Amino acid sequence: AQKVTQAQTEISVVEKEDVTLDCVYETRDTTYYLFWYKQPPSGELVFLIRRNSFDEQNEISGRYSWNFQKSTSSFNFTITASQVVDSAVYFCALSEARDSSYKLIFGSGTRLLVRP
Amino acid sequence: GAVVSQHPSWVICKSGTSVKIECRSLDFQATTMFWYRQFPKQSLMLMATSNEGSKATYEQGVEKDKFLINHASLTLSTLTVTSAHPEDSSFYICSARVGGSGPNEKLFFGSGTQLSVL
Repeated sequence: AQKVTQAQTEISVVEKEDVTLDCVYETRDTTYYLFWYKQPPSGELVFLIRRNSFDEQNEISGRYSWNFQKSTSSFNFTITASQVVDSAVYFCALSEARDSSYKLIFGSGTRLLVRP
Repeated sequence: GAVVSQHPSWVICKSGTSVKIECRSLDFQATTMFWYRQFPKQSLMLMATSNEGSKATYEQGVEKDKFLINHASLTLSTLTVTSAHPEDSSFYICSARVGGSGPNEKLFFGSGTQLSVL
């Protein structure tokens, strides 16, 4: 069965610290997609990244970077030099290709608090 | 970029009344829309998958008769919470899928609706 685990419920860091949010997934499908979303206090979901299972290249986008490791079924997200505006709940999600609807299964989320 | 408009942003209603939430794709046609529910400090739980012109597919444990989903057009899906009760109070969020499968598939989320049932 498909499952996404975000073991870190809450993380608190001081501004400018680096922080890594962990995501471990389970799937029997060989083709799948992994996502990270940010949910600020306003509630809307902000898309951060989408990665397919055949692309294990790590990605960097500004202060954000993602480490995809199929061997450990992990898709971790690192924020470098964190800022107060990064405070939000971050969700990792999985979508399986064999499910034609491509519905997203979300992890439980990690609440990140960046203190000034 | 693609925009998904969800209305209302928040609604307060009395117990026993019905509430309709709209989800519109403003600049694209969404063949599939998803409805999620989120309790405070919890994750988003998929309620149902809605395909234009056909009946919605509900996740296990979601009452079809209580959460009515209509996807009458390629740009509009509605969720009606019938005979709402306080335990239905939650944050409801929709998402719309655009494009084909694989790399072209994209999902966009609405801004959510906070429902409070008194």
